[in-house]
Amino acid sequence: QVHLVESGGGLIVTGGSLRLSCAASGFTFRDYYMSWVRQAPGKGLEWISYISGGGSPTYYSDSVKGRFSISRDNAKGSVYLEMKNLRADDTAVYYCARDRGRPPRNYYYYGMDVWGQGTTVTVSS
Amino acid sequence: QSALTQPASVSGSPGHSITISCTGTSSDVDNYDLVSWYQHRPGTAPKLVIYDGAKRPSGVSDRFSGSKSGNTASLTISELQAEDEADYYCCSYASRTTLGAFGTGTRVTVL
Repeated sequence: QVHLVESGGGLIVTGGSLRLSCAASGFTFRDYYMSWVRQAPGKGLEWISYISGGGSPTYYSDSVKGRFSISRDNAKGSVYLEMKNLRADDTAVYYCARDRGRPPRNYYYYGMDVWGQGTTVTVSS
Repeated sequence: QSALTQPASVSGSPGHSITISCTGTSSDVDNYDLVSWYQHRPGTAPKLVIYDGAKRPSGVSDRFSGSKSGNTASLTISELQAEDEADYYCCSYASRTTLGAFGTGTRVTVL
């Protein structure tokens, strides 16, 4: 059974840091690009970061660049999102997702076919 | 990262069909068959319903279909059912950037 489970969300003060984790199971984790997508209250989906199967390269949206860092541990089957200098507008449900593309791949995006249930991050002063 | 443009809302009666548009540019929708569509119900994880513009993942109802004309992709839901009420988002590979963007999202209401 292919599965993603996020953890690490919670209430954090403005300017604080938080690390989200996403544990994968049921597939060959190292073969897949992984992404973090968030949804702020009342807003749409926002793709904020992704990482290749080998761990490099990594990419970020302008809204989180310089503050967030994505990484992965293929031995543990997990992907992480380190979030620093958190702001009120980072309040959202954060999802990890698997891109369905397999090696060799020509593009960074083929569609996100497996999603976690989401973890909520609330940033408040 | 520029979001793809979708109508804010679409509604239809049970048993009828609706179509949601997703307008992009020559660097994404127009020149690549890499548009995906997601169904997102409140409190649940998004679900992939169409990939590569027109393909359905295993287990997705054949009432969902995708197509493209120029720089506009479309998702059609036929034989509309109450369970289809959700937000729908498109997303595409974009050559001009290293990180794509979701569409603005469409709220589907079953009357």
